[in-house]
Amino acid sequence: GAVVSQHPSWVICKSGTSVKIECRSLDFQATTMFWYRQFPKQSLMLMATSNEGSKATYEQGVEKDKFLINHASLTLSTLTVTSAHPEDSSFYICSATGLGGEQFFGPGTRLTVL
Amino acid sequence: GEDVEQSLFLSVREGDSSVINCTYTDSSSTYLYWYKQEPGAGLQLLTYIFSNMDMKQDQRLTVLLNKKDKHLSLRIADTQTGDSAIYFCAERVSGGYNKLIFGAGTRLAVHP
Repeated sequence: GAVVSQHPSWVICKSGTSVKIECRSLDFQATTMFWYRQFPKQSLMLMATSNEGSKATYEQGVEKDKFLINHASLTLSTLTVTSAHPEDSSFYICSATGLGGEQFFGPGTRLTVL
Repeated sequence: GEDVEQSLFLSVREGDSSVINCTYTDSSSTYLYWYKQEPGAGLQLLTYIFSNMDMKQDQRLTVLLNKKDKHLSLRIADTQTGDSAIYFCAERVSGGYNKLIFGAGTRLAVHP
């Protein structure tokens, strides 16, 4: 139980385009979902916290207009990187929490912007 | 503010025990976690400990918590090559949405 999936697992896009990443909780309803980014050989940095049906809460320094988060249902949250640039290339990881508050992580999405 | 620190690298011989250390700053943390990350993969929850516990053992894993010193450790007994990975310590801060604060990760290398 408690499986979280992400799609796609990797994506390559041209500079200036937008990319959408999906995060799904497969066998439980997620009250909260988190989005992280991880640069090579570095730790996870929390980008934003999202709750179903409400606006995401962004961490300081994260541009909300660039990283659009939609938490449409209790099992799906999406992160859209708008007008992507090479510096946005990173490993994006989502997590989802159920009623117990424990976070279950997705496998990550590697974004490469050319 | 909230901060979690770990040593960055640990090298052990196969069959020996590994001890990974972590310090945190938020005394109101409710849970502390250890995650494992293999190359190109997401995070796998290894174990966790509630803040009112001193020790937790789960098969080859032993977690020790010194709440006074805000020090957490993970001991892996009989370390195997498959244990080579990055290990992240994380604290669950109270309030809000129970967000996690991660350490920088300790890269464990197991050699024959």
